[in-house]
Amino acid sequence: TQLLEQSPQFLSIQEGENLTVYCNSSSVFSSLQWYRQEPGEGPVLLVTVVTGGEVKKLKRLTFQFGDARKDSSLHITAAQPGDTGLYLCAGSGGSNYKLTFGKGTLLTVNP
Amino acid sequence: NAGVMQNPRHLVRRRGQEARLRCSPMKGHSHVYWYRQLPEEGLKFMVYLQKENIIDESGMPKERFSAEFPKEGPSILRIQQVVRGDSAAYFCASSRDTRIFRTEAFFGQGTRLTVV
Repeated sequence: TQLLEQSPQFLSIQEGENLTVYCNSSSVFSSLQWYRQEPGEGPVLLVTVVTGGEVKKLKRLTFQFGDARKDSSLHITAAQPGDTGLYLCAGSGGSNYKLTFGKGTLLTVNP
Repeated sequence: NAGVMQNPRHLVRRRGQEARLRCSPMKGHSHVYWYRQLPEEGLKFMVYLQKENIIDESGMPKERFSAEFPKEGPSILRIQQVVRGDSAAYFCASSRDTRIFRTEAFFGQGTRLTVV
């Protein structure tokens, strides 16, 4: 069974700070996705990383896929209150649609 | 999330009743996926359907749960004789093709089922 561990589970920071959240597994994934989920809403896809070592940037968010394709990180620069939410990573193995989700990192950015 | 419509948003059922959850995929999408998010747990795959076909139901409990995606109308996830452990958020996602699911899957807002 493939598992994804996300850390930290909770993170509360002040506006303007930088942060990194992690997604780790002992399994290799063919691709990894990051989602953000707000209370009472569904997950919204932020990015998909496919190649080991790949780095993708989305404005203030930087996503990295580990060389061995077993882990990933999300770095946010100068966090804003609008970044508050649950950040989920999800890995895809042999099947594109059968994603393995982590439990998420709940980020709170205080003004 | 725009386009994948789930209803109801909230559903309360007593133990033993039936729950029917509906999902209308985005326009042009013929592939539907159901995921369940239990409290304190990550989302878990339940079932993948195309029009009139169940393609993969490996994540669905063998008893009391069924899913369909008829030629006309929304996809339905049915839970018979609900128990408290069925309380969860149920999400539907859709895509045009499984090959692009990982880049273009859109999740609905979910149905939050509470069994009392």
